[in-house]
This record gives sequence, structure tokens and C-alpha cells, in this order.
Amino acid sequence: KAGVTQTPRYLIKTRGQQVTLSCSPISGHRSVSWYQQTPGQGLQFLFEYFSETQRNKGNFPGRFSGRQFSNSRSEMNVSTLELGDSALYLCASSYQTGQGGELFFGEGSRLTVL
Amino acid sequence: DQQVKQNSPSLSVQEGRISILNCDYTNSMFDYFLWYKKYPAEGPTFLISISSIKDKNEDGRFTVFLNKSAKHLSLHIVPSQPGDSAVYFCAASAGTDKLIFGTGTRLQVFP
Repeated sequence: KAGVTQTPRYLIKTRGQQVTLSCSPISGHRSVSWYQQTPGQGLQFLFEYFSETQRNKGNFPGRFSGRQFSNSRSEMNVSTLELGDSALYLCASSYQTGQGGELFFGEGSRLTVL
Repeated sequence: DQQVKQNSPSLSVQEGRISILNCDYTNSMFDYFLWYKKYPAEGPTFLISISSIKDKNEDGRFTVFLNKSAKHLSLHIVPSQPGDSAVYFCAASAGTDKLIFGTGTRLQVFP
């Protein structure tokens, strides 16, 4: 069974640009969550999508947005990039929503903002 | 407001000895706790979990202890192996709410 796939793995952007990251969950998983990992901050929850609906949202500014498609694939977008947005963005999928159980993570997309 | 805290950013243990990783939480509504392990350039992988109705869960070399009154959980690895060297994250959730992660502890197991 294929795992969670994230693309691109690495990318470099400049301040003010926007970026779109993609996540393909494990087949059959309907919930996709996004996390930002930065040194010293651990994994910060961005949002969760289930059946194309945003179910939970973390404490991030409106520049961070996401969506989920009917095939459960998800994208997240960050507009007007800032230096502080440099981070590893991790996507995780699970069969059900609620995240009360195990999440399966992708390898992440490492974003560098110059 | 860090609801899940891992106060030790790093831990160094000799191979064969016990590794103890600690985690504290503030939200008394948390009822499910997990530990994830992360190697460089890989996503976190699930290690072990415990529900609030238990105070201990064991899986091979890994045991998680939960002290609800102290709002504290710990992960014990016995015996520690060099392959255990990784960053360990504890995480917690309340009901069907999102999973909250700690800041991680980097474990290094040396020969």
C-alpha cells in the first residue's frame, strides 16, 4: 500500500511569492491534516480536511489556506510568503476524522523563503 | 500556549541502557496520547499510544506511562539501541479534536 505522498519535496521561494503544496493520502483515507514543523516549535497544526470539508483549523493567519478534492487529495497554499514561513510542511492522512488515533505522515515539503 | 510540552530538547543514552522521554500537558480534556518517532528527511511514524483509561501500555521495548493527576506521560525504551536515535514527539487529543504535538526530544543512543 503506497504511503502518503507529498510534492514537491523541496522548494525555494522569495518573500511575497505564493506557494502550493500537494498531498496524496493513503488509498482509502479520507482525512488529511497539515502541520508545520520549525525548530523549537514542534509540529504546529494548520488544518484538517475530511470529505472535502475543513474540519479543524489551527492558529495560523489567513495567508495559509487549503482544500481537499473528491479523491481526497489535498493542497495547501501560502500567499505573500514571509521569511518565517520557512519550514517543513507535513501532511498526514487517516481513515477517519477526529484524529483520535494514528496519523500516517508523508515525508514533508521543505520550503525555504529567501 | 503550548498545551503539550517536552522540556528536554535532547537526551543522550548509552546503548543497552534505558531511555526515558518525558512529556507534560495542560489540558485535562486530553484523553488519548501518542508517541511518534522522526528520522531526518522522513515524516514522523507512529510508535505507541495510550488512552486515558489506562496508566501503562507496552509494546516490545517501548512502554508508555500515563500519570493523569500529574498530567505527565513518559516513554521508556529498554534496552536502547543506536537505531532508536531520532526525534521523539508526544501528542495528545481530546475526543475527536485535532492532535496537538509537543516540540520534540532528540534522542541519541551511543555505543
